[in-house]
Amino acid sequence: GENVEQHPSTLSVQEGDSAVIKCTYSDSASNYFPWYKQELGKGPQLIIDIRSNVGEKKDQRIAVTLNKTAKHFSLHITETQPEDSAVYFCAPYNYGQNFVFGPGTRLSVLP
Amino acid sequence: NAGVTQTPKFQVLKTGQSMTLQCAQDMNHNSMYWYRQDPGMGLRLIYYSASEGTTDKGEVPNGYNVSRLNKREFSLRLESAAPSQTSVYFCASSLQGPDTQYFGPGTRLTVL
Repeated sequence: GENVEQHPSTLSVQEGDSAVIKCTYSDSASNYFPWYKQELGKGPQLIIDIRSNVGEKKDQRIAVTLNKTAKHFSLHITETQPEDSAVYFCAPYNYGQNFVFGPGTRLSVLP
Repeated sequence: NAGVTQTPKFQVLKTGQSMTLQCAQDMNHNSMYWYRQDPGMGLRLIYYSASEGTTDKGEVPNGYNVSRLNKREFSLRLESAAPSQTSVYFCASSLQGPDTQYFGPGTRLTVL
């Protein structure tokens, strides 16, 4: 089955700095690549996604880049704010495996 | 528009008891999912329903059963609860397959 890893597992940044989280996956058939944010006590919420025919997508302070050849995609957050503090999950999708969530990255934005 | 709702929010069971977790969505989505989340871990898929009338096993289906009652509702049943099933359970829905999943608030289950 799909093997999904995230790096780093924890990340602390100063408010205003940038944060980058990398997700590696094993199944080359994966074709949809979302990132979810989970705040304490809540369900995950989609923040950005990208499909396999696109290399990069940006939405205000958040961007995702995809490298299908190397089988990884990354979440980029610029100008971080305290409300960005949460656990972030990648969840690559393919029709044979459905969604497979990574183990999560805990981001702390220090004021 | 309530999105995805789950009941109950909290539940404590004794080993061997049974219970059903309820999930409903009002977004006219075709696909629905049940996940479990253990401390410090990602979500693992238990069962999913790609469309009304179909259900399929996910990564960790043992000890669970599901029913897609209609397009709106997807329930998860534990026939004989075990301590290893202590977890937070999330229901999610999406329009169809590889699309945004919308998650419910979760059910925190403890099995003693």
